[in-house]
Order: sequence, then structure tokens, then C-alpha cells
Amino acid sequence: SQQGEEDPQALSIQEGENATMNCSYKTSINNLQWYRQNSGRGLVHLILIRSNEREKHSGRLRVTLDTSKKSSSLLITASRAADTASYFCATDEGGATNKLIFGTGTLLAVQP
Amino acid sequence: GAGVSQSPRYKVTKRGQDVTLRCDPISSHATLYWYQQALGQGPEFLTYFNYEAQPDKSGLPSDRFSAERPEGSISTLTIQRTEQRDSAMYRCASSLTQGGNSPLHFGNGTRLTVT
Repeated sequence: SQQGEEDPQALSIQEGENATMNCSYKTSINNLQWYRQNSGRGLVHLILIRSNEREKHSGRLRVTLDTSKKSSSLLITASRAADTASYFCATDEGGATNKLIFGTGTLLAVQP
Repeated sequence: GAGVSQSPRYKVTKRGQDVTLRCDPISSHATLYWYQQALGQGPEFLTYFNYEAQPDKSGLPSDRFSAERPEGSISTLTIQRTEQRDSAMYRCASSLTQGGNSPLHFGNGTRLTVT
């Protein structure tokens, strides 16, 4: 079963525009992570945000976390064709578990 | 090793046969995960290990699926009496620490096709 659900399912933008993807989850969490997957290849970790953090930046990435709404957003600024990929959020289920559950993903297409 | 290594990359097997997939995690990584990923879907959790302990195998679809990590490093995922619905990409990942608070490093996966 999926803990997280990304929205939108698919997004198409022009190079240079910003892309925003949202993730909603169901239970309390300790951490939330975002991953990128290019065309069926391996998943690559992008950023981790802890439950006591509200915002985090890494290069052109900005992640926000709202634990009261059980939601997170990933913003990619000044997008490039190379950002074309599927993006997934992943959450634990709180407590001491290591179990990490991935969402359904957003397929981002950046048109050159 | 430099990264997470999975073998084989591709496996085609006939329905009813047993298959064993292998994962060699980054050395010294405590936690190892197995996921199943269907085309166009997110990875579905199967099980994880903290060293050789297997605290959670709630995601294994049936008792035909089992995983081991006997010495706390290399892990195998075995599917007995394979069925066509087992066809998927199987992904292994490892992370440095326990507790889900460090990034997962994924291998390239094993593409299993059951004919």
C-alpha cells in the first residue's frame, strides 16, 4: 500500500519555468524524503526533511513540510530538460520503524 | 563497495520455477530494503533488514516470497513457484543508519519476467 500520494500525476512545463509537486501522506512521520527516477532507472535521493523542519533548500530544490496537513511540496526552480523524470516522496510511519513507504509519483516533463 | 549492486539485471523464468535475486549493499550500511516496482508505479515496500535482523516483512505478497541477510551484508530475495503476476522490477536499497533518517541508495534493480 502507498503511504504517500503525489499530485499532480503528470506535469508538463517549458524549460526555465518552475515545477511544483505535492505529496500527501496518512500517518505521523519522523522524516520525509524526495527521490527522482529517470525513465525506469534507479531512484536517486534528492532531499530529506525532518518532521520538526518546515522548509529546506538544496540548489534549485525547495521542499516544504506541513505536518498539520500531512503534506509536503517539492519546488524545482528554473527547470531544465534534464529534470525530466518521475519524482516520489517517501515517508516512514513514525515511531521506531525503518519502514519507508513511497508515494505514487509525479511524472515531470520539461520541454526544451 | 562503491554502490548497491544487484544481480542478475534481467531474469526470465517459467511459471512455477523458483528464482533468487541478490543484493550487495554499500559496505557498512546497516539497513537494507527490498521493493517491488511495477511499470509506471512507485516502489512498493516488501521488507527490510537492520544488519541481519528482519523487523518488518509485512510487504511480502505471500509466503512464496522470502528474504535473508544472514551475515548482515549481502541479501537475497527468493520467490518460490513464480507466477506471472510476480513480473516486476525488484529494487534493493541500503542506508547508513537505522531509523529511517538517512537517504536510501538504490541499486539498478532486477527485471523479473515470468512467462
